[in-house]
Amino acid sequence: SQTIHQWPATLVQPVGSPLSLECTVEGTSNPNLYWYRQAAGRGLQLLFYSVGIGQISSEVPQNLSASRPQDRQFILSSKKLLLSDSGFYLCAWSVPPTGDYGAFFGQGTRLTVV
Amino acid sequence: RKEVEQDPGPFNVPEGATVAFNCTYSNSASQSFFWYRQDCRKEPKLLMSVYSSGNEDGRFTAQLNRASQYISLLIRDSKLSDSATYLCVVNRGNTGFQKLVFGTGTRLLVSP
Repeated sequence: SQTIHQWPATLVQPVGSPLSLECTVEGTSNPNLYWYRQAAGRGLQLLFYSVGIGQISSEVPQNLSASRPQDRQFILSSKKLLLSDSGFYLCAWSVPPTGDYGAFFGQGTRLTVV
Repeated sequence: RKEVEQDPGPFNVPEGATVAFNCTYSNSASQSFFWYRQDCRKEPKLLMSVYSSGNEDGRFTAQLNRASQYISLLIRDSKLSDSATYLCVVNRGNTGFQKLVFGTGTRLLVSP
């Protein structure tokens, strides 16, 4: 069966510090991968998605970036965190090609920028 | 206008009650639809897909009305464990790729 791992679960970082969140998927090949953010009391916002190694699309301009160095690995990064980057970051995967099965989320990283 | 709109609630119902949530979406080209459940401070979990013909999974029934662009979720015989936030989700991606757009959720509180 497929599983998705995301770490760390919680993170407190000072403003201006770098960020690296990692997500890996097991039990499937060539998944679509996603990074979402959920700010307190708000809905999920799609940040990045990837349909293959090295293929990253950004949904919103921001100081975050994403990379997919391996088929089942997705990384979210920042060089300098802002207070507004605080939130609940969720990695997700879905199965191509039909797109009818929904997406499945990791347990998330709760990031607090102080 | 938000692409996916939901009543935030909360809906307070007693155990055993039937409760219904509605959701509207603005992009008529949306391809597929889902309901997710999110518990407090947890990740969203897929509850069910929503089909034009309607679909049922135990106490849960989902309906899609493409002409009116709304989606519904009916929960019968509510349990305490149904207390959660229910997210309406629309896929506006192209065939083969999902670009899921989430509503902000409807909060359900089931009381004894």
